[in-house]
Amino acid sequence: EADIYQTPRYLVIGTGKKITLECSQTMGHDKMYWYQQDPGMELHLIHYSYGVNSTEKGDLSSESTVSRIRTEHFPLTLESARPSHTSQYLCASSTGGPRQFFGPGTRLTVL
Amino acid sequence: DQQVKQNSPSLSVQEGRISILNCDYTNSMFDYFLWYKKYPAEGPTFLISISSIKDKNEDGRFTVFLNKSAKHLSLHIVPSQPGDSAVYFCAASTSGTYKYIFGTGTRLKVLA
Repeated sequence: EADIYQTPRYLVIGTGKKITLECSQTMGHDKMYWYQQDPGMELHLIHYSYGVNSTEKGDLSSESTVSRIRTEHFPLTLESARPSHTSQYLCASSTGGPRQFFGPGTRLTVL
Repeated sequence: DQQVKQNSPSLSVQEGRISILNCDYTNSMFDYFLWYKKYPAEGPTFLISISSIKDKNEDGRFTVFLNKSAKHLSLHIVPSQPGDSAVYFCAASTSGTYKYIFGTGTRLKVLA
């Protein structure tokens, strides 16, 4: 199946800290995505990339930023974490076809 | 403004019976629809998809039906198995956008 990895899987951190959520895929997919999901809610697209040096904001406004310097790597950064950032963050990739491959997610808790 | 709606947050079905999960959409530009399954502490995994040029797609125990005039699709699981217990997300896309709109999910519980 898909080889897409996210670290850390769980993160508990204090308010004001800078964090980076890692996402890597070994499939050579050019398109990558970050979603945010709260329990019982839909997945909201917060960032996407169509290739190296290409990043766009998604449909849900987010204070996070992303970068895409290498095809396989799409990290998400929060400069100053707040309790409102507590959520699950899911990374996905695709070839451009309709099917996306998802990582296992990072559950972030900001105290 | 939710473009993809799954109005049933949960569903319980007896093992061996049919599970029917429903999804409604509002954007007539959507032309590709997917179902994903999600277990706790894991990312969603692709289950089955359908293009708007079809009204049915079948893969083993899973069948997706699309009714374009009603802007409605459904996922049928026959027979249901305890391992099917998960949250099912419906997603929709418009060709060329490479972006997907997800519903809120339906939690299916298959009782042994």
